[in-house]
Amino acid sequence: NAGVTQTPKFRVLKTGQSMTLLCAQDMNHEYMYWYRQDPGMGLRLIHYSVGEGTTAKGEVPDGYNVSRLKKQNFLLGLESAAPSQTSVYFCASSYSNAGQPQHFGDGTRLSIL
Amino acid sequence: RKEVEQDPGPFNVPEGATVAFNCTYSNSASQSFFWYRQDCRKEPKLLMSVYSSGNEDGRFTAQLNRASQYISLLIRDSKLSDSATYLCVVFDSFQKLVFGTGTRLLVSP
Repeated sequence: NAGVTQTPKFRVLKTGQSMTLLCAQDMNHEYMYWYRQDPGMGLRLIHYSVGEGTTAKGEVPDGYNVSRLKKQNFLLGLESAAPSQTSVYFCASSYSNAGQPQHFGDGTRLSIL
Repeated sequence: RKEVEQDPGPFNVPEGATVAFNCTYSNSASQSFFWYRQDCRKEPKLLMSVYSSGNEDGRFTAQLNRASQYISLLIRDSKLSDSATYLCVVFDSFQKLVFGTGTRLLVSP
């Protein structure tokens, strides 16, 4: 009963390095999302996808890219990491976007030095 | 003005107490409303949806006041395990979930 799985759980990067965060869901959900959570800011939407092969920008997309080549996977990439991207990243999925609640992965803690 | 606003707390209550949180939202066209619970260093988890007529799930009661644009969460007979941050979430007219910053609850013995 995996639900939404994120890898890795923790990562420390140096400024300028690149990396990819992987999100996988086994609930056959169409919609997938990437959020970041910072103290006092709440969850903010980075990018989202409404189905395989589609992506769209959220509230804070700059510095990130995403891909959804398979329905069950949603990848978040940082091409050139910056200290401002130090955060906790959550992936989520939902069956539809018609006001349906989202199911979250357990997060990736990313530190950029 | 933030689209979804919550009192950050913390609300410190003894076991067995009743506690209520409010959340206000600015977009009057918002469609759906939820309460999520987030434990320290964990992911948010859906606690309950909020329906126009109000709804109850055990010790938890959620209500929606569209005229005043707020939703509330009432917790009766608080347990130590209720200690967490409660996130107010609104599905707005732009088809996005908007999260409040959360209200922290601490239940003490």
